[in-house]
Amino acid sequence: DIQMTQSPSSVSASVGDRVTITCRASQDISSWLAWYQHQPGKAPKLLIYSASTLQSGVPSRFSGRGSGTDFTLTISSLQPEDFATYYCQQTKSFPYTFGQGTKLEIK
Amino acid sequence: QLLLQESGPGLVKPSETLSLTCTVSDDSITNSSFYWGWIRQPPGKGLEWIGNIYHSGSTYYNPSLKSRVIVSVDTARNQFSLRLRSVTAADTAIYYCVRRVSWAAAGTLFDFWGQGTLVTVSS
Repeated sequence: DIQMTQSPSSVSASVGDRVTITCRASQDISSWLAWYQHQPGKAPKLLIYSASTLQSGVPSRFSGRGSGTDFTLTISSLQPEDFATYYCQQTKSFPYTFGQGTKLEIK
Repeated sequence: QLLLQESGPGLVKPSETLSLTCTVSDDSITNSSFYWGWIRQPPGKGLEWIGNIYHSGSTYYNPSLKSRVIVSVDTARNQFSLRLRSVTAADTAIYYCVRRVSWAAAGTLFDFWGQGTLVTVSS
């Protein structure tokens, strides 16, 4: 199985800040990576696929980069609704695996 | 907007079978573009993909759970279900039903999720 490791596990930031979350795969997955946002009490939401393509309706302050084994999710200017937990997922091969999550908290 | 809603008991005894159903609204489960499935998240841990099913009944499962899992589909009711047998405390988790897509340039991912339901395994 491909192992996905996110860092940090949690981060505190303020509205308006720029935040970057990292995801590392245990082997080369090219650009086969998705990011999800999970707000408490809500269904998780697909944000980004193919490492950098925004899902329809996702604000442009979200961006994804990377290929191979190292990936980032950046939120350019945090909004109150962005405080949530973020997960990466490798979409390359079975079984599909996720990172352990990064919790973005209000400072 | 597609809506997925999980239902089922919130408490299951050890060694018994966990059973959950997902009702799909505003889309047909027989849509040929999609698979349907389950993902879970134990308390304090990450997400774990459980398995997927196509409306024809074709299934595939996470090898780590394959011996205990059955995912089935009821096209007449627009529902699909999860059965996990011989549960232990390690199966305590929030269980999400999901729609799985496979796009040529994106791989296999999950574009719609239910809100999840907590299932606790305890006597």
